Amino acid sequence: DVKVTQSSRYLVKRTGEKVFLECVQDMDHENMFWYRQDPGLGLRLIYFSYDVKMKEKGDIPEGYSVSREKKERFSLILESASTNQTSMYLCASSRTNSNQPQHFGDGTRLSIL
Amino acid sequence: SQKIEQNSEALNIQEGKTATLTCNYTNYSPAYLQWYRQDPGRGPVFLLLIRENEKEKRKERLKVTFDTTLKQSLFHITASQPADSATYLCAGGGYNKLIFGAGTRLAVHP
Repeated sequence: DVKVTQSSRYLVKRTGEKVFLECVQDMDHENMFWYRQDPGLGLRLIYFSYDVKMKEKGDIPEGYSVSREKKERFSLILESASTNQTSMYLCASSRTNSNQPQHFGDGTRLSIL
Repeated sequence: SQKIEQNSEALNIQEGKTATLTCNYTNYSPAYLQWYRQDPGRGPVFLLLIRENEKEKRKERLKVTFDTTLKQSLFHITASQPADSATYLCAGGGYNKLIFGAGTRLAVHP
């Protein structure tokens, strides 16, 4: 089975801090994604990557950046955390064909105080 | 903008009945739709995919339809069980990415 592992289940940070969320997948998937999930808004795509060192903006990239130095690892960076970035963050991976299912980690619940 | 809309109200049904969840899409024509299940505190888990040229897809007690005229997909769980209680997400396919709906919470009561 595909496993997508997110480094933390819960994280509390302060406003203005630089925050790193890490995600690792073990199935050699080409595509990786970062979403945030908020009540009533569903999953919103922040960034995705279809190859090492490649990235594309999703629907809400402002205030975030990403890094993909290795195929199995995709990092989300909050450059200067703000309270409106308090959310559940979900990482996913999939094979390269566009209709392939996405495999999700269990999320990081991030609180910015 | 491209949207996937699901009923935000929770669906409450009795055990043994058929649950029907609705997914509508607007401002685009997805080549396929995917359905996921999400339990509290967990990430979504893929259930089914249906392509635009398929009317219906089945997997065990699950059935999905895709109506391109109504711009709608229906997700059915027959003989529902309390263990089916979860939030179900619909997602529309785009280039290498999905557009997700907000999900519908299903509660199956004994």
